[in-house]
Amino acid sequence: AQTVTQSQPEMSVQEAETVTLSCTYDTSESNYYLFWYKQPPSRQMILVIRQEAYKQQNATENRFSVNFQKAAKSFSLKISDSQLGDTAMYFCAFQGYAGGTSYGKLTFGQGTILTVHP
Amino acid sequence: DAGVTQSPTHLIKTRGQQVTLRCSPKSGHDTVSWYQQALGQGPQFIFQYYEEEERQRGNFPDRFSGHQFPNYSSELNVNALLLGDSALYLCASSPALIEEAFFGQGTRLTVV
Repeated sequence: AQTVTQSQPEMSVQEAETVTLSCTYDTSESNYYLFWYKQPPSRQMILVIRQEAYKQQNATENRFSVNFQKAAKSFSLKISDSQLGDTAMYFCAFQGYAGGTSYGKLTFGQGTILTVHP
Repeated sequence: DAGVTQSPTHLIKTRGQQVTLRCSPKSGHDTVSWYQQALGQGPQFIFQYYEEEERQRGNFPDRFSGHQFPNYSSELNVNALLLGDSALYLCASSPALIEEAFFGQGTRLTVV
C-alpha cells in the first residue's frame, strides 16, 4: 500500500515571499505520478502541479515548482512570490500506473494549511 | 464547459437513513472516482467507475455502493448512515483511468 505524509499541518508566509511545503511518500511501485493539489475554502480541489516519476527534471508551473528526490521519496512544493490567493489547504498525492494496485486512484496526504499574510 | 458538477451541495440526513449523491463528469471524460474527505483530513478513495463498471475500490464497507450510467454520470449510494459518514464527498472525472483528475465542488453530508 502507498502512504503519503505531510508533516507540516500549518504554514504561514508574507505576501511576495517564498514558502516550501514538504511531502514524503512510500511505495514499492516504480511507475507513478505525484501531484500537488490546492483546496481553497470554496472546497474545489485544483491541480497545481504534476511530476512523472520517470522524469529527472523537476516540474515547474509559473510560480510553483517541485523538488523531486526519488531515492529519498521526497516531493516538496515551492511557491515563489506568494499571493493572497494562494491561501488554501495543499495536498500532496500519489497515483500509480502500469497496472499496480494503486492504478488510477489518488492517495492523498493529510494536507498543509497555508496562509499568506498581506 | 461546466466542469464536474455534483448535487446536492449540502445534505442533512438522520442516522440509519440512505442517501444518493450525484456527479456529472466534465465533457469528454469517461472515468469517475469518488472520495470521502473528513473535516481537516485528506480525501480517501472510495471507488472508481469506468465503462459502467467498478474498477477499483478503497477500504470502505459494502454500505457504500455506486453506479455509472451510459452518459458517464455517476451516483454514490450510502445505506444505513452512521454519524461517522459525515464528510465532504468529492467526485473526480478524467478522460481515462490515469489521466489528470478534475474535481467537483463536493457534497457536504451531515448525519445527525
